[in-house]
Amino acid sequence: EDKVVQSPLSLVVHEGDTVTLNCSYEVTNFRSLLWYKQEKKAPTFLFMLTSSGIEKKSGRLSSILDKKELFSILNITATQTGDSAVYLCAPYNNAGNMLTFGGGTRLMVKP
Amino acid sequence: GAGVSQTPSNKVTEKGKYVELRCDPISGHTALYWYRQSLGQGPEFLIYFQGTGAADDSGLPNDRFFAVRPEGSVSTLKIQRTERGDSAVYLCASSLAGAIDTQYFGPGTRLTVL
Repeated sequence: EDKVVQSPLSLVVHEGDTVTLNCSYEVTNFRSLLWYKQEKKAPTFLFMLTSSGIEKKSGRLSSILDKKELFSILNITATQTGDSAVYLCAPYNNAGNMLTFGGGTRLMVKP
Repeated sequence: GAGVSQTPSNKVTEKGKYVELRCDPISGHTALYWYRQSLGQGPEFLIYFQGTGAADDSGLPNDRFFAVRPEGSVSTLKIQRTERGDSAVYLCASSLAGAIDTQYFGPGTRLTVL
């Protein structure tokens, strides 16, 4: 059975801080790993990672995948209150038809 | 263009009642997915459609849950004899056929069973 564990479960920081969110996974026939940001209801797509060691970057957010150690991290630098959300990681199993989501990390950024 | 839309946004019902939740995918997306998200947890897969057919319904929890997509576009998730444990946010996502790992989510329907 596929497993996805995210840590920490929740995190409270102040604006300007840097945070690192972790995602470890056990997935058969791994193809890719996706990160989503969920503020209210709809998860919104952040990154898709398929190759180890290649950092993907979008503004203050960046992410990297380690397929040997089976984890991914999401970094957010110079956090802002608008970064407050639940961050979800979801590896994709090439043999299946769905994303398997972790429980998410709830980030709160205080002014 | 328009994203995935879901209606209603909120649904309150009584235990034992029947409910239907609707999903309008992004135009041109042949793949459609239903997920259920309970409070404090990540979304859990329910069912996947490729076109009109349910290609994978392994995530449906029991036979009270059923979903259709008769014309390969709009999908309806149907729950019979609702139970309090069915209370959750039901999310729909769609993708292009060849990009199953890039799914775009709708805003969800929050179902509350009293």
